[in-house]
Amino acid sequence: GAVVSQHPSWVICKSGTSVKIECRSLDFQATTMFWYRQFPKQSLMLMATSNEGSKATYEQGVEKDKFLINHASLTLSTLTVTSAHPEDSSFYICSADGVRVNEQFFGPGTRLTVL
Amino acid sequence: LAKTTQPISMDSYEGQEVNITCSHNNIATNDYITWYQQFPSQGPRFIIQGYKTKVTNEVASLFIPADRKSSTLSLPRVSLSDTAVYYCLVGFSGGGADGLTFGKGTHLIIQP
Repeated sequence: GAVVSQHPSWVICKSGTSVKIECRSLDFQATTMFWYRQFPKQSLMLMATSNEGSKATYEQGVEKDKFLINHASLTLSTLTVTSAHPEDSSFYICSADGVRVNEQFFGPGTRLTVL
Repeated sequence: LAKTTQPISMDSYEGQEVNITCSHNNIATNDYITWYQQFPSQGPRFIIQGYKTKVTNEVASLFIPADRKSSTLSLPRVSLSDTAVYYCLVGFSGGGADGLTFGKGTHLIIQP
């Protein structure tokens, strides 16, 4: 149980285009989901916290107009990278709250490459 | 903000016990300690969580001294597949992003 999926697993796009990444909780409902970004050989950096039915809370330094987050249902959150540029190339990972304190179930990640 | 400090890297051999220590001097009363494992190009995976003393599950043990200013993840009889990055997180639900701050992690390399 407690499986989180992401789609797509990888995507290559041209500079200036927008890319949508989906995060789904497959066998449980997730009131809260989180989006992270991870550059090569670096740690995960929290981008935003997404609560079902409300606006996402973005971490300092993360542009909310560039990284659009929608959490329309208890099993789906989406991250849209708008007008992507090469510096947005990264590994994007979502997670959902688990049962234990601070336990999170992570998705497999999405590798975004912007040409 | 309870920050954590871990060794950047460690190496060991198959069949050995590996202990990774995390320092969290500013841990708060409500904070729990959670360890995650991450393989390259994958999302992190929950390993173990504890508040005090010792916690053991099927894959690891977590030792927390009385002052809770550090914790040690113990992996018994490691294998090559345990080569990964291990993260220690400190925080509690409802504590905002504090409990979701990943440090640099420890890159564990297991050799045959």
